[in-house]
Amino acid sequence: QKEVEQNSGPLSVPEGAIASLNCTYSDRGSQSFFWYRQYSGKSPELIMFIYSNGDKEDGRFTAQLNKASQYVSLLIRDSQPSDSATYLCAVNQGGKLIFGQGTELSVKP
Amino acid sequence: DAGVIQSPRHEVTEMGQEVTLRCKPISGHNSLFWYRQTMMRGLELLIYFNNNVPIDDSGMPEDRFSAKMPNASFSTLKIQPSEPRDSAVYFCASSSVDRGGYGYTFGSGTRLTVV
Repeated sequence: QKEVEQNSGPLSVPEGAIASLNCTYSDRGSQSFFWYRQYSGKSPELIMFIYSNGDKEDGRFTAQLNKASQYVSLLIRDSQPSDSATYLCAVNQGGKLIFGQGTELSVKP
Repeated sequence: DAGVIQSPRHEVTEMGQEVTLRCKPISGHNSLFWYRQTMMRGLELLIYFNNNVPIDDSGMPEDRFSAKMPNASFSTLKIQPSEPRDSAVYFCASSSVDRGGYGYTFGSGTRLTVV
């Protein structure tokens, strides 16, 4: 079992829809969780982090964490073509970030 | 804030040659991380430093790989000898230990091609 797992996609949604990205992790002791966005040919950029169970909202983005289920998700409301990218889930394990393979999101106009 | 600076941006080398990748972290950040990204394996942590000291190098694939951080503003990742399977994008990232929980900032990466 991989330490951090994501569906590779591609996930395709129409413009204006909600995109839902999911991630599971294996280390039950993990305390902090991150979502990075990576455009093709670019470096990963941090868009959200979450520590506590529940939801955390930032603009069109909502991160959700369920530690009991070892599950993290990212919702993108009112998806725009500019949101088309690969989204990487990362989990802090002992001071180092372990990344999932990423989910490719495509938002169609 | 200049961000994390990596050089070179692109490197093409022949198998067997030595390759040195360079990184300048954000000023004030005391943690530095080297990652490698490939389509097959995704983003893998190779090694990280806290306060210039290597903490975990368990991700370094082989003895051909070595990394140093002689001071707080500079780190190198060296591959000697290089092999075609080392072709990948190598990212350097930095963070403050105090703010490590807030994620890392990545450099632009070095795209390495070994032919």
